[in-house]
Formats: sequence, C-alpha cells, structure tokens
Amino acid sequence: GESVGLHLPTLSVQEGDNSIINCAYSNSASDYFIWYKQESGKGPQFIIDIRSNMDKRQGQRVTVLLNKTVKHLSLQIAATQPGDSAVYFCAENQAAGNKLTFGGGTRVLVKP
Amino acid sequence: SAVISQKPSRDICQRGTSLTIQCQVDSQVTMMFWYRQQPGQSLTLIATANQGSEATYESGFVIDKFPISRPNLTFSTLTVSNMSPEDSSIYLCSAGTGKHEQYFGPGTRLTVT
Repeated sequence: GESVGLHLPTLSVQEGDNSIINCAYSNSASDYFIWYKQESGKGPQFIIDIRSNMDKRQGQRVTVLLNKTVKHLSLQIAATQPGDSAVYFCAENQAAGNKLTFGGGTRVLVKP
Repeated sequence: SAVISQKPSRDICQRGTSLTIQCQVDSQVTMMFWYRQQPGQSLTLIATANQGSEATYESGFVIDKFPISRPNLTFSTLTVSNMSPEDSSIYLCSAGTGKHEQYFGPGTRLTVT
C-alpha cells in the first residue's frame, strides 16, 4: 500500500541551531499531514499539521512546509533545545476513515 | 484535545497466553484506534475500534488474534491472543474527534517470553 517515509533516521543538532526533518509521501489524495513527537516511554504527541491545500504553516518555534510537486514534507524547529530530543514522525491522514499512515521516524539528538 | 490512559503500562507474559489492554479516554470521542509499534520502529495501525459494532482491521491483522471491544464512546480494549515472542511490542491506543487529529495514550509495553 501507499506509505509515508523519511530520509534521515538520526539527526544530531547543536543546541540553539535550527533542525530540519524531512519526509517523503506517496499518497497524493491525503487530506492532512501531521507531525508527531515521541519521547522515550511515551505516546506520540501532536506538534503541528498542515492541510493539503497549504504549503506552509507556522507554530511556536516550528514550521511545516509541504511541497506537493515532489511529495515532500518538512518540519523545521527553530533554536533547538534539549527538550526537543525525541523521535519525530510524519503522518498522513486519509480522509476516508480518518486513518493515519506513519513514516519511519527520525531521531533528533540535541547536543549541549 | 483528549487525555488517554492505558492499562497496564507494561507486562511480561508467557507464550500461549493472552493479554487484554484497556484504553480510557477522558471525554467522548468519535473514533478510537489501536496501533502496534515494534522496537525502534514506526507505528502500524492494527484496527479501528467501532462503537457498537465489530472493529475494522487493517491488512495483516485479524480478529482472532487481536479481538477488540468498544462498548461506549470513552473505552476500548485490545486483546493480544495466543502470544508469541513476535508479539513483543508497544501497543498504543489513540482517539479522534472526527477531525484529522489523533491523540495517543502512553502505550503498553508487552514482552512475551
């Protein structure tokens, strides 16, 4: 079936620098794209989403970019902090049944 | 958003036995889902728990192995039946309000020996 994938399994970032996490998707019919953060021993936590008719959305210290031409999604974290260390998943929402398909995950390690 | 709790948080079980995992949501939700997350991997949807009817299973998952109940709009259970070591995983419950967001419980870490 169609799936969502990631380019980089591990990203090491210096504290204070910006982080960029990338994700490729294959289902052009997805309605929403969502980023989740999962800390060790916890369930995924919603960060930010973007609807398929948008190309950019900003939140607090995070920005999501959607490029439908190349089916690419990215999450930018500004001024990365130690608390940002986690695994980040992109997911696409299929409008039918509201099911989520998750990408493979990127581990972000913030170095002090 | 919804706050979701799961019980147990972790368990160690012997092969051939079954474990039932409970998921409780602090508010009524339209949709509930069960996922599996194998060590170091992403989440895979097992099934959609439908209130008052049989769950809808994804390819590769069957009701005999993963029976699911959803007696009301705030509670669901997932049973992992006749367990084998390959069932060792984190099992996660999520809830949605009918929009695209889903909120996740903390997960149940299962080890089968």
